[in-house]
Amino acid sequence: NAGVTQTPKFQVLKTGQSMTLQCAQDMNHNSMYWYRQDPGMGLRLIYYSASEGTTDKGEVPNGYNVSRLNKREFSLRLESAAPSQTSVYFCASSLWASGYNEQFFGPGTRLTVL
Amino acid sequence: EDKVVQSPLSLVVHEGDTVTLNCSYEVTNFRSLLWYKQEKKAPTFLFMLTSSGIEKKSGRLSSILDKKELFSILNITATQTGDSAVYLCAVASSSGTYKYIFGTGTRLKVLA
Repeated sequence: NAGVTQTPKFQVLKTGQSMTLQCAQDMNHNSMYWYRQDPGMGLRLIYYSASEGTTDKGEVPNGYNVSRLNKREFSLRLESAAPSQTSVYFCASSLWASGYNEQFFGPGTRLTVL
Repeated sequence: EDKVVQSPLSLVVHEGDTVTLNCSYEVTNFRSLLWYKQEKKAPTFLFMLTSSGIEKKSGRLSSILDKKELFSILNITATQTGDSAVYLCAVASSSGTYKYIFGTGTRLKVLA
């Protein structure tokens, strides 16, 4: 039981390049989330998927797109990376997006955009 | 605007001390308050609180919620160096759109 896994662990991009961050969970959770964490800012929700087949914007969605590929996998895409997207990205999952279930986090991806 | 404020921002104590971390919130349609511990990597879940006045306890850690005064505290007794981490507070709300709002965290350092 691996929990929530993310790839890659580290990535350096040049401004304007694109990339996809991958996330998978093996806990049979229905809801999945993408957060970014910046110094002094806490965790901020980018997008979430309350259940397979649905996605919704969070607090800071601009510059990102997501795909809920199936129940296990939820990817985050940066179409044209900008230095402001330098951050640590965490994927998380929970049984439901009800507010009554704890979230389980992946190990994070440290992204640097030059 | 929904917000979660944690205090203090950072704290340095010696092993054996007791610490109290604070989390206050202003959110619409409160559902739950959660505490996480974050060491070098992913946050790990500690407690979820939904009802006022009921203490949740796990070993040396305990937490309680006051829904009237809109705050929660996390207590750690007999601190150990392994307690050094950032402690995050998050509030789940559901007001049209679902969301978790995180505070910026309290960085705790426990000296041997």
